Amino acid sequence: QKEVEQNSGPLSVPEGAIASLNCTYSDRGSQSFFWYRQYSGKSPELIMFIYSNGDKEDGRFTAQLNKASQYVSLLIRDSQPSDSATYLCAAKGGAQKLVFGQGTRLTINP
Amino acid sequence: NAGVTQTPKFRILKIGQSMTLQCTQDMNHNYMYWYRQDPGMGLKLIYYSVGAGITDKGEVPNGYNVSRSTTEDFPLRLELAAPSQTSVYFCASTQKTNTGELFFGEGSRLTVL
Repeated sequence: QKEVEQNSGPLSVPEGAIASLNCTYSDRGSQSFFWYRQYSGKSPELIMFIYSNGDKEDGRFTAQLNKASQYVSLLIRDSQPSDSATYLCAAKGGAQKLVFGQGTRLTINP
Repeated sequence: NAGVTQTPKFRILKIGQSMTLQCTQDMNHNYMYWYRQDPGMGLKLIYYSVGAGITDKGEVPNGYNVSRSTTEDFPLRLELAAPSQTSVYFCASTQKTNTGELFFGEGSRLTVL
């Protein structure tokens, strides 16, 4: 079982709608979780991190964490064409290593 | 600010050749990482380091070696290159693993033929 798993997509969402991205993790010792965005041909960039159960909001982005279910999600409200990218979920496991999922490709259709 | 610098940006290797991907950061970060990214896939951790002189294996270490003699440099060595090592390699660093904000280099695209 992979340590971090995501639906690989692609996920297509109309402009202005809510995009929902999901991620599960296998290591119950993981304490912190991260969402990165990666445009084609570019390096990943951090969008949000979360380490407490519940929701964390930052502008149009909301990260949700449920440690009992080992589930992390990212909601993007009022989706824009510029949100079209691959979104990578990551978990910080033991000994400071950061493990990524396989990414979900998101396309926002105008 | 240079940040994380990787060289070379592109390289073509023949099967069985060896090479070193260079990574240097000027932010005095303790933690450094090497990832590979295959087409359409996420990042797979190859090796990481929590400080000078300390390295550890990640998810896919076979066929690679690293060293960390200084805080700034974290080279990745490929011995006996194989087509399966064709990938984009990213080096990253951070000082605060709890926030997860990795600073990435621009990537090195390696093709093994």
